[in-house]
Amino acid sequence: GESVGLHLPTLSVQEGDNSIINCAYSNSASDYFIWYKQESGKGPQFIIDIRSNMDKRQGQRVTVLLNKTVKHLSLQIAATQPGDSAVYFCAENQGSAAGNKLTFGGGTRVLVKP
Amino acid sequence: EPEVTQTPSHQVTQMGQEVILRCVPISNHLYFYWYRQILGQKVEFLVSFYNNEISEKSEIFDDQFSVERPDGSNFTLKIRSTKLEDSAMYFCASSLRTSGRQETQYFGPGTRLLVL
Repeated sequence: GESVGLHLPTLSVQEGDNSIINCAYSNSASDYFIWYKQESGKGPQFIIDIRSNMDKRQGQRVTVLLNKTVKHLSLQIAATQPGDSAVYFCAENQGSAAGNKLTFGGGTRVLVKP
Repeated sequence: EPEVTQTPSHQVTQMGQEVILRCVPISNHLYFYWYRQILGQKVEFLVSFYNNEISEKSEIFDDQFSVERPDGSNFTLKIRSTKLEDSAMYFCASSLRTSGRQETQYFGPGTRLLVL
């Protein structure tokens, strides 16, 4: 089911530790997935994406893992920094057949403790 | 680095009034979108726009909403008669379309709309 409401799951992590944020997506037809970071009062900021023909993709300090069997996506942040404190959303895209719309997950708040 | 811009950053209006939210997408992008985020909730798709027509719209995007690309740079969202429940953050996004592949959608900073 969908997660809607005022209370976001929160991940509290010590500065320098690794963070793992999980996301379950809903539609097996989705073939493109994106992680966005949203800081307070700002728009979603692109972090990393992955297409369904891959199961892992790495960026700078971030790794996205995709498990299509269980429809699960994760974002790993290495050596978490105070600037990583934000709400992180996964989003799925079913492509041009669905107008390229993104369907967002409920979000996870990451709090980095100094 | 090119970015999506939106104006105004904040808009307060009375219920029943019309509002127009403005966006300037990234200049070489071809797909444009509006999303909204009610306070404390997830980002929701409203509408996508390509080649001067709506590609898809959600059930939220009823007859009170319309979009327009009045010139080569602006993309607008109009709410004809605002309701209290239209209060939200409205995000514009754009993406560069290349032959069938999904492309990253880049979001603007948003317009916070408050309907009183």
